Amino acid sequence: EVQLVESGGGLVQPGGSLRLSCTVSGFTFSGYWLSWVRQAPGKGLEWVANIKEDGSEKYYGDPVKGRFTISRDNAKNSLYLQMNSLRDEDMAMYFCAREGVSGSGAFDIWGQGTMVTVSS
Amino acid sequence: IVMTQSPATLSVSPGERATLSCRASQNIGRNLAWYQQKPGQAPRLLIYGASTGATGIPARFSGSGSGTDFTLTISSLQSEDCAIYYCHQSNGWPPRYTFGQGTKLEIK
Repeated sequence: EVQLVESGGGLVQPGGSLRLSCTVSGFTFSGYWLSWVRQAPGKGLEWVANIKEDGSEKYYGDPVKGRFTISRDNAKNSLYLQMNSLRDEDMAMYFCAREGVSGSGAFDIWGQGTMVTVSS
Repeated sequence: IVMTQSPATLSVSPGERATLSCRASQNIGRNLAWYQQKPGQAPRLLIYGASTGATGIPARFSGSGSGTDFTLTISSLQSEDCAIYYCHQSNGWPPRYTFGQGTKLEIK
């Protein structure tokens, strides 16, 4: 079964750091671009970052550039998001998603998400 | 690229047709996907490439459009189609993906 499982969310103070993980099973992890997408409570979807199959290219949305770092470990079938200098507006459900439709950029498989709460 | 969806909320009777719109602030070709999200769930891919149905998606869901104007049509609404629908553009390089704000589809 194709599955993405996020972990690492929790409560963090403004200015703090958190590292999210996404563990994958059921498909060849190293064969796909992967993204993080977030959703603030009661709000819409916002793309955060993505990473190429071999980790050699990484791209970020403007709100997180310079504060967040996406990475992957193909030997462990795992995707990561290191989040530093967290702000109130970073509070959201964070989903990992596979860009599985070749050349389209569409997200065909999603995890269930991990919640990040930023509060003092 | 700003994606604008309309209407914000749509109320349709079971068995009727639902038409949801998405407009891009600039030409995105056919680099447009649609997702369905139910409460407490992750989004689910419905349509990619503006008009290609994703695996396992019922035939009543169809997409059309290119350039700046796109449409998601549900031909005969079922009760389980009650959800929020998002469009998503993936045009250009480097990636600067953006989503519409969503259309909430209600059953009348």
